Amino acid sequence: GENVEQHPSTLSVQEGDSAVIKCTYSDSASNYFPWYKQELGKRPQLIIDIRSNVGEKKDQRIAVTLNKTAKHFSLHITETQPEDSAVYFCAASRYGGSQGNLIFGKGTKLSVKP
Amino acid sequence: GAVVSQHPSRVICKSGTSVKIECRSLDFQATTMFWYRQFPKQSLMLMATSNEGSKATYEQGVEKDKFLINHASLTLSTLTVTSAHPEDSSFYICSAPLLGGRETQYFGPGTRLLVL
Repeated sequence: GENVEQHPSTLSVQEGDSAVIKCTYSDSASNYFPWYKQELGKRPQLIIDIRSNVGEKKDQRIAVTLNKTAKHFSLHITETQPEDSAVYFCAASRYGGSQGNLIFGKGTKLSVKP
Repeated sequence: GAVVSQHPSRVICKSGTSVKIECRSLDFQATTMFWYRQFPKQSLMLMATSNEGSKATYEQGVEKDKFLINHASLTLSTLTVTSAHPEDSSFYICSAPLLGGRETQYFGPGTRLLVL
C-alpha cells in the first residue's frame, strides 16, 4: 500500500528565512498531493496542493514542487513568520483521484524564531 | 464553503463503555467519509472509509467490531468506539470529499476522546 515518508520531523528557522519540508511516496498511482498545517488540537488546514500533471505550484510565500519520476514532493515556505509555527503534514491520495482517502506523512514541527 | 461538523468535540468515558462520534456534512452530500485517528504528537492515521448504503472499509489492523461505522445518510456518518479502553484515547477526525469544491476534502474539527 501507499507509504509516505516526511523529513525532517522538526525544523527550526529564524524569522525571514526559508523552510523546506520533503516527502516521498511509494504508490505511482497517487496523483494528488496536499499539504496541511495543523495547530494543536485543531483540524488540519489545507495550505497548498498539487496534482501529478503539474511540476510546481506557488501561492504567495508557499510553493510546492513535485517530481513524479522520483516520487518526491516538497513544501517551500519563504520569508517565514512566527505565525507559520505549526505542524505540517504532507499527504498522498491513495487509489488515485483527489476524492480518495489520504495517507499522511508523520509531520514536521516547524518553529519560527522571532 | 463546505463545512463538516463533529459531535461531541470532547468526551470522557469510563473504561468498558461505548462512545458514539458523529460526523456531518452540513451543506453538501457525501457518499463517502473517512475516519482518522491521531495520537498526541503523531500523524493522522486512516482508520476506515465510511460508505453510504454499504459496509465500511477498514484499514489493516483496525478492528471492525471495536470501531463500528454507520453511514446512515448522505450527510451523516457515525463512529462508535465499543468497550473503550484507555489506549483508545485519541483525537478522532473525519473528513468528507467534495467533487468540485475549493478543497477536495473537508475535515471535521475532531473529537477528543479520553477513556479513564
